[in-house]
Amino acid sequence: GENVEQHPSTLSVQEGDSAVIKCTYSDSASNYFPWYKQELGKRPQLIIDIRSNVGEKKDQRIAVTLNKTAKHFSLHITETQPEDSAVYFCAASFSGGYNKLIFGAGTRLAVHP
Amino acid sequence: DTAVSQTPKYLVTQMGNDKSIKCEQNLGHDTMYWYKQDSKKFLKIMFSYNNKELIINETVPNRFSPKSPDKAHLNLHINSLELGDSAVYFCASSRTSVANTGELFFGEGSRLTVL
Repeated sequence: GENVEQHPSTLSVQEGDSAVIKCTYSDSASNYFPWYKQELGKRPQLIIDIRSNVGEKKDQRIAVTLNKTAKHFSLHITETQPEDSAVYFCAASFSGGYNKLIFGAGTRLAVHP
Repeated sequence: DTAVSQTPKYLVTQMGNDKSIKCEQNLGHDTMYWYKQDSKKFLKIMFSYNNKELIINETVPNRFSPKSPDKAHLNLHINSLELGDSAVYFCASSRTSVANTGELFFGEGSRLTVL
């Protein structure tokens, strides 16, 4: 079935440390993997995405890695700052012809000064 | 200039009532969606329309009826509201409906509370 598992559900780090969030997906035909950040009371917003023809992508302090064989992908945030505190969602596109994203359950990241 | 806007932002109502949430996007996108976010923050797709045509219909009670009068608008009507319908409902849009084409742009969400 269509499923995306995300771990951990909560993550607490000190400012300046790194944070890693991991996801696995079930559909081997998935080939688009975005990450969304949702601040408290706000809308989810795309922060980075990766497609299956790429193994890694970086954008300043954030990076995403993809292992298609193992069907998992990860978000890495370096030099965390208090404003990184939010809920992060991974997602995977599912086959069937339409732009259907299935989201993981979310990771609540808390960055302590 | 809000890209995806939803109204109302908050909705408090009694069980058994019927309510609607409206969504509009000014991005020129072809495809719109409704997602439900429950109290545990889980985001689950409900429906998707492409240029007024229903293309994704997940396992949602038939008390929920989406309507798209044109490709810039997608409304959600809910009949006979139940306690379990309490959630934040997010409207979203994307440039096309073609698989893997990319980013969803979300609205601010509509928080529905059923008493």
